Amino acid sequence: QLQLQESGPGLVKPSETLSLTCTVSGGSISSSSYYWGWIRQPPGKGLEWIGNIYFSGSTYYNSSLRSRVTISVDTSKNQFSLKLSSVTAADTAVYYCARLPRGSVVPAGTFDYWGQGALVTVSS
Amino acid sequence: EIVLTQSPGTLSLSPGERATLSCAASQSVSSTYLAWYHQKPGQAPRLLIYGASSRATGIPDRFSGSGSGTDFTLTISRLEPEDFAVYYCQHYGGSVYTFGQGTKLEI
Repeated sequence: QLQLQESGPGLVKPSETLSLTCTVSGGSISSSSYYWGWIRQPPGKGLEWIGNIYFSGSTYYNSSLRSRVTISVDTSKNQFSLKLSSVTAADTAVYYCARLPRGSVVPAGTFDYWGQGALVTVSS
Repeated sequence: EIVLTQSPGTLSLSPGERATLSCAASQSVSSTYLAWYHQKPGQAPRLLIYGASSRATGIPDRFSGSGSGTDFTLTISRLEPEDFAVYYCQHYGGSVYTFGQGTKLEI
């Protein structure tokens, strides 16, 4: 059974860089069938797609966050990571990692497996 | 950029009743890439419906999706206590993933 697990600091100071890692188990991050992505959810609010990555390193980002986001992949560790720079209180959220079937893989265009989420608070 | 607007914001029903949730897209979208999720408190969202009308693995048949173009609907035929949650629609297009703002289904 595929599992995703987020890890990283739960508290980040304003203007610093938020860093999270997602460890994938029960499946290979190097599969040609999937992207791997990040979604966030501010407390009490809705979901926002941040971006996703293919095992080759190709990335796709939400245009509203593109200038501050970097997503990378480490196939040797079956992990992918998120860095969000110059954070403010508005970046306080639960951050989820997820699997995204690509191309004609069913269910294409969805987030079919999710991690449990990691709360990151931006505060001094 | 596609905007998804869900209605109503909150839906108050009782177990055994039928729920109808709507998702309106700001322009016509491919139903192939229209999905629904629900999210219970403290949990990650779970995929319910993909391709506008196909149930994801393990989703009971009381959940059904329909629609095309700009108007999509999620129907829960007979509500079970575990169905009370927040529901999101989501679209994929042009390498961009977009969520609606959510509908809270409450008892």
